[in-house]
Amino acid sequence: GAVVSQHPSWVICKSGTSVKIECRSLDFQATTMFWYRQFPKQSLMLMATSNEGSKATYEQGVEKDKFLINHASLTLSTLTVTSAHPEDSSFYICSGNTGVGSPLHFGNGTRLTVT
Amino acid sequence: DQQVKQNSPSLSVQEGRISILNCDYTNSMFDYFLWYKKYPAEGPTFLISISSIKDKNEDGRFTVFLNKSAKHLSLHIVPSQPGDSAVYFCAAHPGGGTSYGKLTFGQGTILTVHP
Repeated sequence: GAVVSQHPSWVICKSGTSVKIECRSLDFQATTMFWYRQFPKQSLMLMATSNEGSKATYEQGVEKDKFLINHASLTLSTLTVTSAHPEDSSFYICSGNTGVGSPLHFGNGTRLTVT
Repeated sequence: DQQVKQNSPSLSVQEGRISILNCDYTNSMFDYFLWYKKYPAEGPTFLISISSIKDKNEDGRFTVFLNKSAKHLSLHIVPSQPGDSAVYFCAAHPGGGTSYGKLTFGQGTILTVHP
């Protein structure tokens, strides 16, 4: 259980364009999903918490206007990187779980490269 | 400030032997610890977890030990198999009112199991 599907698995875009990443919970309903980011040779870091039907909450240092999160249904959260720049190149991973106290399960991630 | 540390960037073991991956933490408020396994270009896969009220949890070939006084946990894999070769992350959750999705990850340890 707790399968999380993420799409696309990789994307290359030009600087200044926007990229949308989709995250779906396949076998459970997720009122909350979590977006992480991993830069090369670094740990995974939580970026934001996606809340179904309400605004996302962002971690300190993460620009909410740059990383737009939409959680329109119990099975879909999207992250849009707006006006992407090369420094946004990273591995973006979403996650969810089946309830409080159960472990987070991660999607397969999206490798974003901004040229 | 790295609150979760995996001081060994890599570990190499022979197939059939024991792999011991270590993790230290500094925040005494952490009350739930997890180990994840990650292959390149994929999201982390949950392996095993332990609550701070326990000192050991076992699941098949995987055992996690927690030493709260030393703020140290370890993951034992016995016997090690070549398919275990991956990056292993330990993660911690601070409990209390903190969102259950907010995990603090270590830097990861690359495990290589030789046939």
